[in-house]
Amino acid sequence: AQKITQTQPGMFVQEKEAVTLDCTYDTSDPSYGLFWYKQPSSGEMIFLIYQGSYDQQNATEGRYSLNFQKARKSANLVISASQLGDSAMYFCAMREGHGQNFVFGPGTRLSVLP
Amino acid sequence: DAGVTQSPTHLIKTRGQQVTLRCSPKSGHDTVSWYQQALGQGPQFIFQYYEEEERQRGNFPDRFSGHQFPNYSSELNVNALWLGDSALYLCASSYRAPPGELFFGEGSRLTVL
Repeated sequence: AQKITQTQPGMFVQEKEAVTLDCTYDTSDPSYGLFWYKQPSSGEMIFLIYQGSYDQQNATEGRYSLNFQKARKSANLVISASQLGDSAMYFCAMREGHGQNFVFGPGTRLSVLP
Repeated sequence: DAGVTQSPTHLIKTRGQQVTLRCSPKSGHDTVSWYQQALGQGPQFIFQYYEEEERQRGNFPDRFSGHQFPNYSSELNVNALWLGDSALYLCASSYRAPPGELFFGEGSRLTVL
């Protein structure tokens, strides 16, 4: 079973508009962490935002915010005021409990249109 | 402050050959993880090294092996290469284990012909 699901293979957004990238996860561990990474064409994975399973408030980092709905096992990334430089692949990932590894979703390719 | 550096950036091998990929972690980090990213997919965990020992391993065959040196740098070795090993190999570093945020290098793109 897929532990991380990203149902949007590709998304388009107009520059300066907001966009939501979907992520659902599956775990029975009460302690876990959720991460979003951006991967431009250079290949490097760039950390964007983190949400812990016990965090009461949704995480925010600048133009990035995470819409965390624990009961629905959903951790959507919201990018406000999109910029052309936001065009990239975006990956949702989860680390369970004290596990050493991150499990990544298949990614969403975001294209920002001028 | 140097980030995670990987070498080589690109390489081409033929089936049956062996390859060694290298990684230097971000300054201050002591834990190195390796991931394989096939074209069009998300990264998959290979293994993690901490205190020069393999701490956890993903679902990869024994052809994949690694090493961590006292200076925290790491190598990934793949023996008996086959076509399906063609991928971007990403190294990620963190402080301590289990890892918090991972810092990634730009990867080594391996093509097996």
